[in-house]
Amino acid sequence: NAGVTQTPKFQVLKTGQSMTLQCAQDMNHEYMSWYRQDPGMGLRLIHYSVGAGITDQGEVPNGYNVSRSTTEDFPLRLLSAAPSQTSVYFCASSYSGTGGDEQYFGPGTRLTVT
Amino acid sequence: GEDVEQSLFLSVREGDSSVINCTYTDSSSTYLYWYKQEPGAGLQLLTYIFSNMDMKQDQRLTVLLNKKDKHLSLRIADTQTGDSAIYFCAETIPRGYQKVTFGTGTKLQVIP
Repeated sequence: NAGVTQTPKFQVLKTGQSMTLQCAQDMNHEYMSWYRQDPGMGLRLIHYSVGAGITDQGEVPNGYNVSRSTTEDFPLRLLSAAPSQTSVYFCASSYSGTGGDEQYFGPGTRLTVT
Repeated sequence: GEDVEQSLFLSVREGDSSVINCTYTDSSSTYLYWYKQEPGAGLQLLTYIFSNMDMKQDQRLTVLLNKKDKHLSLRIADTQTGDSAIYFCAETIPRGYQKVTFGTGTKLQVIP
C-alpha cells in the first residue's frame, strides 16, 4: 500500500492564483481530512469528509473548497490564494473517523503565496 | 473552549528518559494521542490512551493521564538520537464528528 499520497510536495503561488492540492489513499478509508500546520499553532482542521459525497467544514475553512467524488481522492482547492495561506498542508485518512481510530498522514505540501 | 498546550522545546542526553507534558481544557475528551513528526514528514501515531485509563505502556513509551488535572505526559525511556522529532499531543472530542485538537508540538532534541 502507498498509504496517503499528496502532490505536489512544494508549490509557490502568486496572490490571487488558484490551485488544487491532491490527496489520495489506497486503504479504503472512509474518513479523510485536510489540516494546515503553522509555526506555534499545531495542526488546524480545514475540511473533512466521512465518505464519498459527504464533506463538512473544520475550524478554518475560509478560502478553501473540497469535494469527495470517490473514496480514494480528496482534493483541496484554493480559490484565490492569499499570503495568509502560506503553510504546510497535510491530508489524513482513517477507517471511520471515530475516536481511537488511527489517522494516517501524508507527507505534506509546503505552499508559499507571494 | 478547546485548547491543548505543550512546552515548545525539550533537550535531553542520549540514554536519559524524556518526559513531554501536555495540558488540555476539555473534560469531554474521549481519546488522547501522541504523534511524532520527523523533519519533512507527516505525523505518525505513536500511542493513544482512552480517557478512562490512567496509564499505558508500550515498550519504551509510557503515557500517564491525570484526568482531574487534565494533564497528559509521554515518557520515553532510554532516549535515542532517532527519537529527535516534534511530538504532538492531541485530544478527540465528540462534537457530532470526532473533532481532533492538536497541541502546538514539543521539539525534542537528543544530545549524543
